[in-house]
Amino acid sequence: ETGVTQSPTHLIKTRGQQVTLRCSSQSGHNTVSWYQQALGQGPQFIFQYYREEENGRGNFPPRFSGLQFPNYSSELNVNALELDDSALYLCASSSLLTGFEAFFGQGTRLTVV
Amino acid sequence: DAKTTQPNSMESNEEEPVHLPCNHSTISGTDYIHWYRQLPSQGPEYVIHGLTSNVNNRMASLAIAEDRKSSTLILHRATLRDAAVYYCILRVNSGGSNYKLTFGKGTLLTVNP
Repeated sequence: ETGVTQSPTHLIKTRGQQVTLRCSSQSGHNTVSWYQQALGQGPQFIFQYYREEENGRGNFPPRFSGLQFPNYSSELNVNALELDDSALYLCASSSLLTGFEAFFGQGTRLTVV
Repeated sequence: DAKTTQPNSMESNEEEPVHLPCNHSTISGTDYIHWYRQLPSQGPEYVIHGLTSNVNNRMASLAIAEDRKSSTLILHRATLRDAAVYYCILRVNSGGSNYKLTFGKGTLLTVNP
């Protein structure tokens, strides 16, 4: 079975622009979570999608939004980018079948200049 | 959010056991204790989890105090590939698939050859 894949691996955006990050969850996993990891910090929970609906959200403003598709892949959209949005964005997939284990992708490194 | 406290860093020698401590004095009765690790330039990786009893798997052992206010992740024979940031996380039981992992800063484990 394939693992969690994220694209792109790196990108650079200008302050004020919009960005879309993509995540393909592991086969059969119906739950996707997104995390933001600033340099030197642990990942911070952004939100979670379960069966195409948002199913929990962390302390992030509404300009962070997401989607989950019928094949359980997911997108993270960030509008009006700020310099502080520069971080590693991680996607994790799981399902009731995986029990308590979340599978993380390698992340997308976003730099806002 | 449920809090955990870990040392910022620890050092070990190759092929020696490593005991990584974690305090979680505010743990609730239904909170699971999870450990993830993050190798350089990778997403976090599940290591082990437990509720009350000590747990063993192919990667590590988890020793949980009787009052559940602390736990210790044990790597029986450290290898250079075990050098990573280790996160101790309380997984709050909010029912079904709705949960988030609240990461702290973790413990940076250095393994000396």
